Amino acid sequence: AQSVSQHNHHVILSEAASLELGCNYSYGGTVNLFWYVQYPGQHLQLLLKYFSGDPLVKGIKGFEAEFIKSKFSFNLRKPSVQWSDTAEYFCAVNLSGTYKYIFGTGTRLKVLA
Amino acid sequence: EAGVAQSPRYKIIEKRQSVAFWCNPISGHATLYWYQQILGQGPKLLIQFQNNGVVDDSQLPKDRFSAERLKGVDSTLKIQPAKLEDSAVYLCASSLVGIDTQYFGPGTRLTVL
Repeated sequence: AQSVSQHNHHVILSEAASLELGCNYSYGGTVNLFWYVQYPGQHLQLLLKYFSGDPLVKGIKGFEAEFIKSKFSFNLRKPSVQWSDTAEYFCAVNLSGTYKYIFGTGTRLKVLA
Repeated sequence: EAGVAQSPRYKIIEKRQSVAFWCNPISGHATLYWYQQILGQGPKLLIQFQNNGVVDDSQLPKDRFSAERLKGVDSTLKIQPAKLEDSAVYLCASSLVGIDTQYFGPGTRLTVL
């Protein structure tokens, strides 16, 4: 069955540290990829998405993600985190040509001031 | 622009009771999603509507869950009868078209005792 794996469930970083959150999916076909974020007390919202083209995608608030097809990965990165990045981050995959969306289990990021 | 509205925000019921959740998507959004998010897990897609037609309900437990989207706008998700394992946050999301950015509502937190 198709699935999305987020390897780190909890990450704690100090401000200015670099961030990389892993996301791997299991599906042999074409996919559309998303990262969503949920800040404390707020709704889930889109950080960035990849449909096609340049595999390095830039999103809001300095986040970026790289699609590596050979590794079935879509890792999220930020060179220097801020306290305000404390949130839960979800990777999501849409199986292209279908209506199926699969979310990962999420990664809780805590940034220490 | 008004966001996705959901009500109620919280609901506590006893097992075997019935419950209904309401969602009003962003105006003009054709696609509406209902997700179930159990504590510690990512959102799981229950059902997806395109206008007032169902395009995917493969993960909806149809023996107890039902959903409708009359007139292609508001939607209602019902659970009848509820079980303890239905305790979760029920999220509604909408998008302009099927495979696009989803805008999430605040969710309804259901506790089944």
